[in-house]
Amino acid sequence: RKEVEQDPGPFNVPEGATVAFNCTYSNSASQSFFWYRQDCRKEPKLLMSVYSSGNEDGRFTAQLNRASQYISLLIRDSKLSDSATYLCVVSNAGGTSYGKLTFGQGTILTVHP
Amino acid sequence: AAGVIQSPRHLIKEKRETATLKCYPIPRHDTVYWYQQGPGQDPQFLISFYEKMQSDKGSIPDRFSAQQFSDYHSELNMSSLELGDSALYFCASSLGPGGHGELFFGEGSRLTVL
Repeated sequence: RKEVEQDPGPFNVPEGATVAFNCTYSNSASQSFFWYRQDCRKEPKLLMSVYSSGNEDGRFTAQLNRASQYISLLIRDSKLSDSATYLCVVSNAGGTSYGKLTFGQGTILTVHP
Repeated sequence: AAGVIQSPRHLIKEKRETATLKCYPIPRHDTVYWYQQGPGQDPQFLISFYEKMQSDKGSIPDRFSAQQFSDYHSELNMSSLELGDSALYFCASSLGPGGHGELFFGEGSRLTVL
């Protein structure tokens, strides 16, 4: 079983739609959580960190449920430019291991006109 | 703004050959990470360095080695290449180990082993 598992997708939605991605992680020692975005054949880029209290950045809302080891990302009012692969990422705290990011397999989102 | 620079961008090698990938982190970033992403796969952590010392090790094969130099650039050396080594190799850098999860990735070096 992978340490980080995501909805496989792909998700095909019209512009303006709201779409939600889910992710679960198996390592209860995981301390930090992120959503990265990766465009086709490009490098991953940090979209947003995920905090215990939930956080919002414009049209994007991230939620974390530590008890269920579950992370979500909600995108409202989808734009064509949101089309990408969304990677759920966790990191274990502790000294210099903080930077070892474990990626989920990614969820492909396609927003169409 | 300067980003993470990786070279070469594309590399084609035969089986059993060796290859070296280079990574130049963002200026003042002291931590470098190497990730391997196979076709249709998620990025897999290989190894990381903080202040020129290995800080963490992932699924890096014994045939591979890496180091970080005094100017903070890093090199990933791959020997006895196998077909399965064909992948996109990303280097990332951060300010401090972990960078609070914000790693800045280079555009990757695409290795094809024939």
